[in-house]
Amino acid sequence: GAVVSQHPSRVICKSGTSVKIECRSLDFQATTMFWYRQFPKKSLMLMATSNEGSKATYEQGVEKDKFLINHASLTLSTLTVTSAHPEDSSFYICSAQRWRGRTSGGPRNEQYFGPGTRLTVT
Amino acid sequence: SQQGEEDPQALSIQEGENATMNCSYKTSINNLQWYRQNSGRGLVHLILIRSNEREKHSGRLRVTLDTSKKSSSLLITASRAADTASYFCATAVFTGANSKLTFGKGITLSVRP
Repeated sequence: GAVVSQHPSRVICKSGTSVKIECRSLDFQATTMFWYRQFPKKSLMLMATSNEGSKATYEQGVEKDKFLINHASLTLSTLTVTSAHPEDSSFYICSAQRWRGRTSGGPRNEQYFGPGTRLTVT
Repeated sequence: SQQGEEDPQALSIQEGENATMNCSYKTSINNLQWYRQNSGRGLVHLILIRSNEREKHSGRLRVTLDTSKKSSSLLITASRAADTASYFCATAVFTGANSKLTFGKGITLSVRP
């Protein structure tokens, strides 16, 4: 169990167009999903936290009008890169948080990662 | 912002040898996790160690955590060519009901057959 899918796996688009990336939790419900960006040979940088039924929380320096996030249901979050430019080319990875309850030590939840989407803007 | 810093940045070993990777971090954490990423792929969760734990084992993996030194190490014993990948440590901080992960820069491990 705990499978997360992303679609598409690869996309090439022209500069100025918008691209939508989907993240789905296939066998569990996720009220929270996370979107990360990874440059070649670099680490994952958290872009935003996607909450079902409410607005996403963006990390400092991430343009919310540029990267639109919609958490439409408990199993689907989408990231839309608007007016894409070549510098937006990157590997985008989502994760879905599976809630496992709360203990005295804090929330028990686990993040399951999608396989990533390679975006190339020409 | 970066939290974890792994070292070495790159490690090349012979199959059968042990691989040790280290991670240091700066702020208080709730747990620390290690992930593996094959080239161009998603992340695979390897092991999680809580802040009140000092050592944990899972198969050929052994992870330690020293909260006083804000450091962790991942040991892969009897390495295999299939272990070749990038390895990331990620520190987790609880924010309300969420667990926010901050990743280190990663270590590239090459295991020569």
